[in-house]
Amino acid sequence: AQSVTQPDIHITVSEGASLELRCNYSYGATPYLFWYVQSPGQGLQLLLKYFSGDTLVQGIKGFEAEFKRSQSSFNLRKPSVHWSDAAEYFCAVGAGGTSYGKLTFGQGTILTVHP
Amino acid sequence: DTGVSQDPRHKITKRGQNVTFRCDPISEHNRLYWYRQTLGQGPEFLTYFQNEAQLEKSRLLSDRFSAERPKGSFSTLEIQRTEQGDSAMYLCASSFTVQGEKLFFGSGTQLSVL
Repeated sequence: AQSVTQPDIHITVSEGASLELRCNYSYGATPYLFWYVQSPGQGLQLLLKYFSGDTLVQGIKGFEAEFKRSQSSFNLRKPSVHWSDAAEYFCAVGAGGTSYGKLTFGQGTILTVHP
Repeated sequence: DTGVSQDPRHKITKRGQNVTFRCDPISEHNRLYWYRQTLGQGPEFLTYFQNEAQLEKSRLLSDRFSAERPKGSFSTLEIQRTEQGDSAMYLCASSFTVQGEKLFFGSGTQLSVL
């Protein structure tokens, strides 16, 4: 069965600092990988996705993620964090095929941004 | 698009009562998903529809849970004989097959079972 681990429950950074959120997955075949962001009172929003091809993917709001098969990782990065990035971030893996919307999510990482 | 809307936003009920939630997906989306999220956890898949057909159900969806999407538009999720363990945020998401990998989520219905 597929699974996702986000080792950091809570991360605090200063505004303008760089950010890396960790994600490790377990999946037997080539995974479909996603990062979603959830702000209080709002629905989850897709930041970026990886299906195949270039292992460095660019997303919205200046985020990027790198797929590393050898490490079973898909870490999310941003070079300079803004106060509006404070939210909860979820990594997810999907089976693809006809079940592409059936995702397994990690437990999430809460990001706090200090001014 | 007007986004995915869910109703109600909050529901408080007593143990043993039945509750029903509604989800209105983005109008042209043919796939609709239900997820459940408990405090401190990521969303867990419950079930999904393509048009009006329910194609898959998770083992999390006990026989007290039933979901419908009668005309391939809105969907309802009913929980019968609620238990305290049913307390969670119930999330709906929709997608369009051609862009199926991108799910659009609603804000959810927060259920509290007393």
